[in-house]
Amino acid sequence: EADIYQTPRYLVIGTGKKITLECSQTMGHDKMYWYQQDPGMELHLIHYSYGVNSTEKGDLSSESTVSRIRTEHFPLTLESARPSHTSQYLCASSEGQARSYEQYFGPGTRLTVT
Amino acid sequence: KNQVEQSPQSLIILEGKNCTLQCNYTVSPFSNLRWYKQDTGRGPVSLTIMTFSENTKSNGRYTATLDADTKQSSLHITASQLSDSASYICVVSDRGSTLGRLYFGRGTQLTVWP
Repeated sequence: EADIYQTPRYLVIGTGKKITLECSQTMGHDKMYWYQQDPGMELHLIHYSYGVNSTEKGDLSSESTVSRIRTEHFPLTLESARPSHTSQYLCASSEGQARSYEQYFGPGTRLTVT
Repeated sequence: KNQVEQSPQSLIILEGKNCTLQCNYTVSPFSNLRWYKQDTGRGPVSLTIMTFSENTKSNGRYTATLDADTKQSSLHITASQLSDSASYICVVSDRGSTLGRLYFGRGTQLTVWP
C-alpha cells in the first residue's frame, strides 16, 4: 500500500462553505496531482505540482485552488462549495514525470455539497 | 483526439472463472499503458505497466497484453476470486508533453459472484 493519505475520507457540507481537502505523502515524491472522478466516469486531472512552490492547472477546469509549500503536502481548497462540486477527489504522487513513473493514489475524499 | 475506450462497461462472472477485459486507445505518440484496479471508495492501485516493446506482462493471476500496432490491450484474470470485484481502469500515457499526460478509460466494473 502506498504511503499517501487523504483526509477527510467523506465530507458532507452546505453550499457556500469553504473547505480544504488534505493530501500528504511520505515517499518524498516531487510530483503530485489532484484528480476529480464522478461515478462511472474517467479520472480528470484538475491540478498538478512539479515540486515546492509549483502549481499548475490540469485539463479539467476547476474552481478549486492548490498550494505546495512543503514537498509532502498538497492541499486543495474550495472557497465557496456548490452542489456542482459534489464528486470524488483523488490525490496522487510520483517520483518523476507521470508518463515514466508509477503514480500512487490516495484513498480519495468523497465530497457532497448540499 | 486522444482517447481510451474500455469494454465491456460491466461484467459479472462466477468465482473461479476466467475473464478478459478490453482496452482500445488512440493516444499518440504512445509512451506506456497501465492497468489499475480500483476498489469501491478507494484510489486506483497499479497492476501492470507496459511499454511499446512489451506485449505481455503478468502480475499473479492478472496478465496484460499489448498490441501497439492495433492499439489494443487486454487484461486477463485467471481463476477469479471474490476480492477481484472492482473497477479495472486502462490508462495510456503519451510522449508528447512535458508532464507526460495520462489518459484514463472509464473502467470495466467487474463483479465476481460466489
